[in-house]
Amino acid sequence: DAGVTQSPTHLIKTRGQQVTLRCSPKSGHDTVSWYQQALGQGPQFIFQYYEEEERQRGNFPDRFSGHQFPNYSSELNVNALLLGDSALYLCASSYKPGQGFYEQYFGPGTRLTVT
Amino acid sequence: AQSVTQLDSQVPVFEEAPVELRCNYSSSVSVYLFWYVQYPNQGLQLLLKYLSGSTLVKGINGFEAEFNKSQTSFHLRKPSVHISDTAEYFCAVILSSNTGKLIFGQGTTLQVKP
Repeated sequence: DAGVTQSPTHLIKTRGQQVTLRCSPKSGHDTVSWYQQALGQGPQFIFQYYEEEERQRGNFPDRFSGHQFPNYSSELNVNALLLGDSALYLCASSYKPGQGFYEQYFGPGTRLTVT
Repeated sequence: AQSVTQLDSQVPVFEEAPVELRCNYSSSVSVYLFWYVQYPNQGLQLLLKYLSGSTLVKGINGFEAEFNKSQTSFHLRKPSVHISDTAEYFCAVILSSNTGKLIFGQGTTLQVKP
């Protein structure tokens, strides 16, 4: 049973560029959430997708956007990269809210470095 | 506003000694509680969860945690640690009013010394 997978593992970008990160959820899950983890901090919620729509969003600017595909996989896009966007980006998969299952399972993350 | 506070940023302990990692939360609604572990250069692994029922919950790798509603705490314990337990530990909550979003604490680094 494959767990949550993310690609790429590492990425180096220059300020002002755009980046796309990818995530495939654990088998059976239909919901994907994205978190940003800055060095030495706890993860911060970016947004959550299910049924191919953004369902809720954390305190992140519009430069952060996403998409969910019919097979439940998801992308996180960040435009106009800033140095402060350097972080570990974590994808978590789960069942849709309201079904009585609250656990979120995390992938290994994508380490983004902005220079 | 809801928040999670992990009271110790670093906890050094000798191998085979007991350990407690402390977590307090603030919320006006009921919560579901989780502990995750993060090994170097890896993602988060779920250690244990409290959803309802018995306030003492057992997880993987010999860890357990006790939910104390009156003190709004969810401390993580292990009676005897191993070198391999060296990692970052995160306490997190989900609000019963918004079950889609995990709110994390800042993390506690457990350093197990030989």
